[in-house]
Amino acid sequence: NAGVTQTPKFRILKIGQSMTLQCTQDMNHNYMYWYRQDPGMGLKLIYYSVGAGITDKGEVPNGYNVSRSTTEDFPLRLELAAPSQTSVYFCASHTRGGNTGELFFGEGSRLTVL
Amino acid sequence: AQKITQTQPGMFVQEKEAVTLDCTYDTSDPSYGLFWYKQPSSGEMIFLIYQGSYDQQNATEGRYSLNFQKARKSANLVISASQLGDSAMYFCAMREGMAGFKTIFGAGTRLFVKA
Repeated sequence: NAGVTQTPKFRILKIGQSMTLQCTQDMNHNYMYWYRQDPGMGLKLIYYSVGAGITDKGEVPNGYNVSRSTTEDFPLRLELAAPSQTSVYFCASHTRGGNTGELFFGEGSRLTVL
Repeated sequence: AQKITQTQPGMFVQEKEAVTLDCTYDTSDPSYGLFWYKQPSSGEMIFLIYQGSYDQQNATEGRYSLNFQKARKSANLVISASQLGDSAMYFCAMREGMAGFKTIFGAGTRLFVKA
């Protein structure tokens, strides 16, 4: 039962570098999300997708990009990393539309930008 | 715009006692869902309980219950018979609308259970 899988779990970047956080789910969920969690804080929505080929911005999209070419995969791209992007990133998904259906989360990716 | 507020940064409870974690929300949509998640120190997010805006009864899941007061726009989590393993961050979350996509989270409450 893989669920939502994120890679890498840890990464250190230098300022200005770029990287992609990978997220894949094997539950055939249409809805996928990227959140960031700063230390001691709640989760902020970066981007979300309601199906392959459809993405939209969340609360804090600046500095990030996403794509959704398949139902399973929803990678998050960081361009020109900045110290403000030091955070824990969570990928999540759910199956049902509307306001029911809990989120299934990956284990998180801890990113440090130095 | 939807908003979730958790006003208790930290709470202490004695083992075996009950504790209430507060959550208030704001939305203009009559259709919405409310969720509680637990985040232990290991970092994973664990779904606890769900309440729909049209549900007539308060949701319960084992030792967790949700005190839903629609007129007050509050959705407090009640944990009965606290255990040491309940020490964690707790997040209230909401997704609004019949075609709801975005789940937003409150800032969280850190619960400490004392032996």
